[in-house]
Amino acid sequence: EVQLVQSGAEVKKPGESLKISCKGSGYSFTNFWIGWVRQMPGKGLELMGVIYPGDSDTIYSPSFQGQVTISADKSISTAYLQWNRLKPSDTAMYYCARPRSGWPGWFDPWGQGTLVTVSS
Amino acid sequence: DIQMTQSPSTLSASVGDRVTITCRASQTISSWLAWYQQKPGKAPKLLIYKASTLESGVPSRFSGSGSGTEFTLTISSLQPDDFATYYCQQYSRDSPWTFGQGTKVEIK
Repeated sequence: EVQLVQSGAEVKKPGESLKISCKGSGYSFTNFWIGWVRQMPGKGLELMGVIYPGDSDTIYSPSFQGQVTISADKSISTAYLQWNRLKPSDTAMYYCARPRSGWPGWFDPWGQGTLVTVSS
Repeated sequence: DIQMTQSPSTLSASVGDRVTITCRASQTISSWLAWYQQKPGKAPKLLIYKASTLESGVPSRFSGSGSGTEFTLTISSLQPDDFATYYCQQYSRDSPWTFGQGTKVEIK
């Protein structure tokens, strides 16, 4: 079974750094893109960027370029989303998801989500 | 950037109703469109891709149609499990970053 399992919920203060993870299993991790999607409280879905773990090729949505860093460690089949200095506006649910058949594409499966809360 | 506009934003319907949700793209995206269902506290679930291809395991009461700039998701007979929020996603090579803003299907 193809699965994406994300790290647990985080509570952070403004200005802190954070790295959340997404571990893939049941497929060849290096051969499929993985994307990160933000969902702010009560709002819709926003695609942040995608990474190809095979060669770490990364493409950011213009809205998120420079705001976050997407990376991957293919040795442990894990993708990451990282912030250097969190802001309260980063409070959101973050999902990883795999484009089914290359990028651009539609997403399936999805991780279960990681809730990030940034508050002083 | 390609903008995706869903309508309506909220839809009130009864079990057994036929429900149609529209997604319009600001420029042509051929058939590069997917539909997802999301329930509160859960990750989105893929329903349809390539505008009209039903994902395996998704009930046949769901269908998608359209190409170019106008697309529809239809639920032929609404079931209790279908009350959720629905999102379209375009994945055109020109600007593959956008979801629609969502349509919440509520119990009437």
